[in-house]
Amino acid sequence: EADIYQTPRYLVIGTGKKITLECSQTMGHDKMYWYQQDPGMELHLIHYSYGVNSTEKGDLSSESTVSRIRTEHFPLTLESARPSHTSQYLCASTAGDTIYFGEGSWLTVV
Amino acid sequence: QKEVEQDPGPLSVPEGAIVSLNCTYSNSAFQYFMWYRQYSRKGPELLMYTYSSGNKEDGRFTAQVDKSSKYISLFIRDSQPSDSATYLCAMKTSYDKVIFGPGTSLSVIP
Repeated sequence: EADIYQTPRYLVIGTGKKITLECSQTMGHDKMYWYQQDPGMELHLIHYSYGVNSTEKGDLSSESTVSRIRTEHFPLTLESARPSHTSQYLCASTAGDTIYFGEGSWLTVV
Repeated sequence: QKEVEQDPGPLSVPEGAIVSLNCTYSNSAFQYFMWYRQYSRKGPELLMYTYSSGNKEDGRFTAQVDKSSKYISLFIRDSQPSDSATYLCAMKTSYDKVIFGPGTSLSVIP
């Protein structure tokens, strides 16, 4: 089982603020992902990475950006938060053919 | 038509009942099949993983895959109130494309 850590778990922030959601995994997985999930709704892939210095946009267009400078770290940044960014953001990594998720970061933009 | 279809429920059953959760898919390239359980405000937790047609059992859980019919199921025996959650099916191709179903909300009533 993968250990994936996300911080913060819950964040309420004002419109226009810059935020970074942190994600770290301790298993040395090369593949990492960010999903966005509104309450009661489907998971949508917004970013993924297959290794250091590799980042790609997912199926759902997102104004967020990601970076992958270290294998274990895959932070997501919103330069200027808006109420439409209010959602749950889930980080995941892959071991072989299965995906393991972190606990999620709940973002509320007011 | 979505690549993965799953009845969103909600499904409500009495404690001790056998629960059947199902997904259908249209892409024959899917080779790996996963079931996740997601509690409210938590990340999805991997329950079962299989890549072949047939049944795979783990405790009270049985995953069933029928590739010819493009149909997968998760059975929960002797359901418990702690099984109340949203269940997501997920499917993956050999080239890493992963699609999640929208999830079925399950309530097990004591």
